[in-house]
Amino acid sequence: AQTVTQSQPEMSVQEAETVTLSCTYDTSESDYYLFWYKQPPSRQMILVIRQEAYKQQNATENRFSVNFQKAAKSFSLKISDSQLGDAAMYFCAYRAGTASKLTFGTGTRLQVTL
Amino acid sequence: DTGVSQDPRHKITKRGQNVTFRCDPISEHNRLYWYRQTLGQGPEFLTYFQNEAQLEKSRLLSDRFSAERPKGSFSTLEIQRTEQGDSAMYLCASSLAGQPYGYTFGSGTRLTVV
Repeated sequence: AQTVTQSQPEMSVQEAETVTLSCTYDTSESDYYLFWYKQPPSRQMILVIRQEAYKQQNATENRFSVNFQKAAKSFSLKISDSQLGDAAMYFCAYRAGTASKLTFGTGTRLQVTL
Repeated sequence: DTGVSQDPRHKITKRGQNVTFRCDPISEHNRLYWYRQTLGQGPEFLTYFQNEAQLEKSRLLSDRFSAERPKGSFSTLEIQRTEQGDSAMYLCASSLAGQPYGYTFGSGTRLTVV
């Protein structure tokens, strides 16, 4: 079975600084997708960034980028120029290419301080 | 279209009572998913529908849980004879088959069993 591990229950970053959230996963599949979701206090899960396993280039979305290390099964999220609005729970998620369901990690709570 | 809607937002019920939640997906989305999220955990997959067909159910979905999606539009999730362990956030999401990363989540229904 696929598993997703987030080893940092909480992280803190100062406004305008950079923070990296860690995620590792375990799978025997060769075709899969990885995601980072943000869950603010409003509770709605919002897609931050995605990565297709077949792509070697790391995905980037504005201030958000990933470091995808396929051999190491590692998928970290870097948030640059952190803003107060980035404070939320962040979940790493995996989806096998042939599947529909997402498998989530336990989340990292990000605090942004002034 | 205003996204995925879930009703009610909060539900408090006494142990042993039955509860029903509703999810209205994005209108053009033919897939609908239910997840359960307990405190401090990531969402866990419960079940999903493609149109009106329930295609996959997690072992987490005990016989006290039933989900329906009549006519392939909105979906209901019913929990019979609620237990305190059922207290959680119940999240609904929808997507279009063939789009591997087009999930949209609702804001969830928070169930408290007292």
